[in-house]
Amino acid sequence: ETGVTQTPRHLVMGMTNKKSLKCEQHLGHNAMYWYKQSAKKPLELMFVYNFKEQTENNSVPSRFSPECPNSSHLFLHLHTLQPEDSALYLCASRDREESQPQHFGDGTRLSIL
Amino acid sequence: GQNIDQPTEMTATEGAIVQINCTYQTSGFNGLFWYQQHAGEAPTFLSYNVLDGLEEKGRFSSFLSRSKGYSYLLLKELQMKDSASYLCAVLDSNYQLIWGAGTKLIIKP
Repeated sequence: ETGVTQTPRHLVMGMTNKKSLKCEQHLGHNAMYWYKQSAKKPLELMFVYNFKEQTENNSVPSRFSPECPNSSHLFLHLHTLQPEDSALYLCASRDREESQPQHFGDGTRLSIL
Repeated sequence: GQNIDQPTEMTATEGAIVQINCTYQTSGFNGLFWYQQHAGEAPTFLSYNVLDGLEEKGRFSSFLSRSKGYSYLLLKELQMKDSASYLCAVLDSNYQLIWGAGTKLIIKP
């Protein structure tokens, strides 16, 4: 139990579907992250939110749309994804100091048909 | 560009010692993290080094040499449950985390 909960754990969708990934942290952290993890590749940072404000968007295609309604919740809205978007999507949170470790959820395994 | 290098895969025997190396070239340095990730699970924090030297935490130790751009994670008295991927990540001058691709560690009886 890491204090960061992601749902769903697994998702299979067609390229024309719309779905959302959810992340909730119970740690009182101020920063939240979305990462993409593909096999044998480094974690790819997608989005960063600090105090509900988006502070980073790493050139992510517009078919991925993040939403952070409050410091505890983070969503990733998905629309018209491509097969190469199949991956593990990880959410993380971190306390105020940048030198503090990030705490990760178990991820959502996404498969695009 | 920024780069983190670590071996793709390593194999070790239960009860033995294994050292997982990580070399980095980054724009500045504000610390190095090691994480453990079991298959299908969240990465979990193991250690953070910002000064040179060895940090020991039970069976796991982490070493840093900033002048050499080098770190290692040392695992002693290996157990089957240590089979996992080990991720090295460096905090650069902008406090961005630069991640390595991870080292998959296989423990054999």
